[in-house]
Amino acid sequence: QKEVEQNSGPLSVPEGAIASLNCTYSDRGSQSFFWYRQYSGKSPELIMSIYSNGDKEDGRFTAQLNKASQYVSLLIRDSQPSDSATYLCAVVHYNQGGKLIFGQGTELSVKP
Amino acid sequence: SQTIHQWPATLVQPVGSPLSLECTVEGTSNPNLYWYRQAAGRGLQLLFYSVGIGQISSEVPQNLSASRPQDRQFILSSKKLLLSDSGFYLCAWSVQFGRVSSYNSPLHFGNGTRLTVT
Repeated sequence: QKEVEQNSGPLSVPEGAIASLNCTYSDRGSQSFFWYRQYSGKSPELIMSIYSNGDKEDGRFTAQLNKASQYVSLLIRDSQPSDSATYLCAVVHYNQGGKLIFGQGTELSVKP
Repeated sequence: SQTIHQWPATLVQPVGSPLSLECTVEGTSNPNLYWYRQAAGRGLQLLFYSVGIGQISSEVPQNLSASRPQDRQFILSSKKLLLSDSGFYLCAWSVQFGRVSSYNSPLHFGNGTRLTVT
């Protein structure tokens, strides 16, 4: 099992729809979770962090965490073409001294 | 506020030539520093990380080396580039892990260097 796993996509959604991006992780001791957005040819940009079970909302973005199921997701409401990018899930692995482990990323395409 | 500078933005080098990429961080002290590589269409591969001056940990055996001559300076080097060294190189910093608060610290990336070895 990969340490952090994401569907590679591409995930295609129409403009205005909700995009749902999912991530699972293997380390039950993980406490910190992050979502990065990476536009083609650019560096990753931190967009959300979440540390507690439940939902965390920031504008059109909602991060959801379920530690029992070892699952973290990112919802993008009212998706815009400018949201088209690769979304990287990252998990701090407690049993690796706090290293940040990245998933392979999910490519999102929002069609006008 | 903290900023991270990475240069150059793009680089084309012939096989067998040397490499030096530099990264500096401003606005923070004693950060953890990282070098990642991202091959085309692939995920992020951690190459090196550093928790302090002169302290370098290598994650994968390769043709590259890293140095940290100053607290906020991180350098990636190679004596002889290979074709397989082509990729997008990213420098990043975080609050130093090893302290409890650091487990909540994300990475912050520079703008990256796109290296093409020909």
